[in-house]
Amino acid sequence: AAGVIQSPRHLIKEKRETATLKCYPIPRHDTVYWYQQGPGQDPQFLISFYEKMQSDKGSIPDRFSAQQFSDYHSELNMSSLELGDSALYFCASSSGLAGNQETQYFGPGTRLLVL
Amino acid sequence: GENVEQHPSTLSVQEGDSAVIKCTYSDSASNYFPWYKQELGKGPQLIIDIRSNVGEKKDQRIAVTLNKTAKHFSLHITETQPEDSAVYFCAAFSSGSARQLTFGSGTQLTVLP
Repeated sequence: AAGVIQSPRHLIKEKRETATLKCYPIPRHDTVYWYQQGPGQDPQFLISFYEKMQSDKGSIPDRFSAQQFSDYHSELNMSSLELGDSALYFCASSSGLAGNQETQYFGPGTRLLVL
Repeated sequence: GENVEQHPSTLSVQEGDSAVIKCTYSDSASNYFPWYKQELGKGPQLIIDIRSNVGEKKDQRIAVTLNKTAKHFSLHITETQPEDSAVYFCAAFSSGSARQLTFGSGTQLTVLP
């Protein structure tokens, strides 16, 4: 079965640079969630989108923004990167239309390292 | 907001024994409780979930129980195998104002051969 696809899988950036992470949800899933996971930590919810509209917002820094496009893929844009932004970034998808918005399937993640 | 506590943080069992991980949550509006297994360098994998209208759910060697009154839920793995070794996260999804998954702090399960 098709899973969530994330790209790139690894990314190295310098401080103050920008980064864009991409997420392709499971086919026919209309809801996308972004999470940040620091070393040895649990995933922290950043932001979610349902049917291309922002749905809920968690602990996302103002330096970060995200959107969901007409094909349901999503991009997380991170600007003015800081050392503390180094983490695993996961995207998860679910099917809100099927009434299972809360059942989330995670992608393999993007490992971001800020030097 | 929701707060999920998970215990123990580490758990070692002999192959074939059972493992139990416990979580508590604070938000009475939470109505969906998934469990994820995360292997090193990989994304969390949904292994079982339970909704608030059900007290117990089982899938082969894995079972989850939910006590809504006490606001706690548990994961039970029977006949553990070395490949069960991973970090396990419980989570709670609130249907209230903040519709999001809140995770517990994780349990590192090690199954000794």
